[in-house]
Amino acid sequence: NAGVTQTPKFQVLKTGQSMTLQCAQDMNHNSMYWYRQDPGMGLRLIYYSASEGTTDKGEVPNGYNVSRLNKREFSLRLESAAPSQTSVYFCASSETWGFQETQYFGPGTRLLVL
Amino acid sequence: LAKTTQPISMDSYEGQEVNITCSHNNIATNDYITWYQQFPSQGPRFIIQGYKTKVTNEVASLFIPADRKSSTLSLPRVSLSDTAVYYCLDSNYQLIWGAGTKLIIKP
Repeated sequence: NAGVTQTPKFQVLKTGQSMTLQCAQDMNHNSMYWYRQDPGMGLRLIYYSASEGTTDKGEVPNGYNVSRLNKREFSLRLESAAPSQTSVYFCASSETWGFQETQYFGPGTRLLVL
Repeated sequence: LAKTTQPISMDSYEGQEVNITCSHNNIATNDYITWYQQFPSQGPRFIIQGYKTKVTNEVASLFIPADRKSSTLSLPRVSLSDTAVYYCLDSNYQLIWGAGTKLIIKP
């Protein structure tokens, strides 16, 4: 099992460009999440999908859109990248949506917006 | 929001036991406490979870007193490879992450 995979690992964009970050999990999990982590900070939730077919905003959704393509895949799209979106992006999944569910994280995508 | 509070950083030495405390004064009846570990350039990894009293696994122990307003993550006999950031989460608000505790282990 690969667990949670993310592509690309690293990306440089110019201001105004768009891109999609891909995430896939092979653990048959129902819930998936997108976080961003700025240097020296904790993770901040961008969007989440409690189950296939549903998505909800997290703490910092502005400038992002998501698609839960199927049970395995959850993508994050930046329509018009801004320097403030320079960050490390982590995708995570959990078996279900519940209080004590463990989250499993991918290796991250490092994004630099010039 | 039932956020948690933990020290920003700690230092210790190889072979020592390290205890990291976390305050969660507003914890609700159904909430669990979960700890994650994050190495540089990696995603966080689950360490341990508990509700009250003591939980132990192959990596760590978690102590939660009766009032459940705090918890202590205990790492026995740490090594250099335990240098990481440790996050304490209230599971009812598991999607809210603080800055964590940066633990540095010295030789």
